[in-house]
Amino acid sequence: DAGITQSPRYKITETGRQVTLMCHQTWSHSYMFWYRQDLGHGLRLIYYSAAADITDKGEVPDGYVVSRSKTENFPLTLESATRSQTSVYFCASRDRASGNTIYFGEGSWLTVV
Amino acid sequence: DAKTTQPPSMDCAEGRAANLPCNHSTISGNEYVYWYRQIHSQGPQYIIHGLKNNETNEMASLIITEDRKSSTLILPHATLRDTAVYYCIVLSLQGNMLTFGGGTRLMVKP
Repeated sequence: DAGITQSPRYKITETGRQVTLMCHQTWSHSYMFWYRQDLGHGLRLIYYSAAADITDKGEVPDGYVVSRSKTENFPLTLESATRSQTSVYFCASRDRASGNTIYFGEGSWLTVV
Repeated sequence: DAKTTQPPSMDCAEGRAANLPCNHSTISGNEYVYWYRQIHSQGPQYIIHGLKNNETNEMASLIITEDRKSSTLILPHATLRDTAVYYCIVLSLQGNMLTFGGGTRLMVKP
């Protein structure tokens, strides 16, 4: 039971570069989410997806792009990384069959220099 | 979705019960109470959820007041590995915006 996996786990990039964080889940959950976590801010929702080819903005979507061509994958792209996007990024998926429980990946630590 | 209020921090002695309160006075009838925890540097981990009845699983018990305006998460025999930030969240089954507040930082001490 692989669950939900994120890659890369750790990334250092330069300002202005494009970065893509990958998220893969093996459960076929329809809903997937991207959160970022910064010190003092808790977890904030960036984007979510209800199904393949359906995405919607969360609380802090600016500077990010998502796609969902396949149910199991939900990549998050920073088109032109900025230092303010230095954060820990968590991907999650939701299981409606078990009371809407949301399961999180282990996180991707991104540093923009 | 309703907001929640939790104390910022609590201590608990190892082996004792940890009782973590949460206030959700604006909860609506179709909203569930979910509890997650986050151990340092890891992704949030689901603990338990409920609508109006008390719930118990292998990790914890959830006690929801009759008016549903508050709840308590109980870890019956806290261990050092239960040291984490605990988040109380309310969300409807149709809701998509799982909103995390500040949570309660539980420190289990030997």
